Parts: sequence; C-alpha cells; structure tokens
Amino acid sequence: DARVTQTPRHKVTEMGQEVTMRCQPILGHNTVFWYRQTMMQGLELLAYFRNRAPLDDSGMPKDRFSAEMPDATLATLKIQPSEPRDSAVYFCASGLGLLQGAVETQYFGPGTRLLVL
Amino acid sequence: AQTVTQSQPEMSVQEAETVTLSCTYDTSESDYYLFWYKQPPSRQMILVIRQEAYKQQNATENRFSVNFQKAAKSFSLKISDSQLGDAAMYFCAYRRYGGSQGNLIFGKGTKLSVKP
Repeated sequence: DARVTQTPRHKVTEMGQEVTMRCQPILGHNTVFWYRQTMMQGLELLAYFRNRAPLDDSGMPKDRFSAEMPDATLATLKIQPSEPRDSAVYFCASGLGLLQGAVETQYFGPGTRLLVL
Repeated sequence: AQTVTQSQPEMSVQEAETVTLSCTYDTSESDYYLFWYKQPPSRQMILVIRQEAYKQQNATENRFSVNFQKAAKSFSLKISDSQLGDAAMYFCAYRRYGGSQGNLIFGKGTKLSVKP
C-alpha cells in the first residue's frame, strides 16, 4: 500500500530553533508539494517540485523557510529560525506529473504538527 | 485568481441519513479538476472523489457522489447512508487542468458531525 510518509509527526520547539521536516513521496511520483494548514488561513501551498526542481515557492517566507529535494525519495522543509506564528500542520503531497504539466491527483502524507513556543 | 468557497462551516447528519455539502468556485478556465478531501481527527488528508470539468457525468464513489454544475460553478458532495466514520472536515479543492501550476486551491472546509 503505497503512501506518502512524513517525519516527525509532532514537533515542539522553542522560538529561534531550526526545524527540519522530511517527506518521502510515493515511489514513482515526480511531483512533491508542501502545504501548511492553520486555523486562520486554512490550507496554503508553500512550494512544489517537479523532478526535484522547484517550480513554485512563492507561498514560502524566503527569509526563514527553505525547501529542497536532495533526491527523488526525499523532500525537506526547513525553518530557521522558527517563530511562534509558524505553528501549524505541514503536509507533504505527491503525485504524478502529466505531460501538460499538471498533476492528476495529489496524495497527502499524515502531516507534521509543529508547535513553536 | 481562482477561489473556492464552502459556505457551511459546520453540518450535522443523523446516522444512515443523507447530507449534502456545498462548494462553489470561481475561475476563468474552461478545463480543470475538482476534488473533495476528507480530514478526520487524525489530520490525514484523504481523497474522497474527483471530477474532471470536461466530463458531464457526475463522479460517484460508493456512498459519495457529486453534483457538478459547471455553468453555476457549483460542486456539491452528497454522502448517502451516513456512517459514524464519515465525521470529519471536508475540503473542496480546485486545480487547473494544464500548465505548470499544479497545486490545489482549497476551500475553508466544512465540519461534518454524524449523530448516532
């Protein structure tokens, strides 16, 4: 049963600390998305990658957030330094990119619940 | 820019009854996808159903079906024979059909409660 995995599932940290979240997309999927969910903003796209290359990271605060795909089986989202307003659930999703560019269906991981004190 | 609106923050249904969740969207595109995702208390996002805008036939998945009205830009989800396990947040989402902009645009969600 193929699924997206994310680690850690929960993270509590103090303001100013570095946070790294990891995602393993479904094998064979070439597109990875990072979303953030908060009560106020709902679900928002932070960044996404196609064939490991970043296609859109306009939703990400550039001064403190960074996203990478070191290889096809790992995507990372890093926050440095973290702030209380970063507290949210961070979802990774993967999918298979079509020839015309879009992704048919996105499959979500279980999320990382981040609390920054 | 595309937007997705779910006008019902909360809904309630009796077990075994039928409930309809509303979703409207705004787009100037003619081809796109629409989705309903379910998020139970575990926070996992689970795909419920998908509709391609170019298909006139409404999508169906077991007890879940949609009423897709393209002209009205409406995409409602009907849950028949509601079960306790259907209790969750339901998100309506939109995605463009082509191009590099492959991300989902979500509504704010509808919290569904199922009464035994």
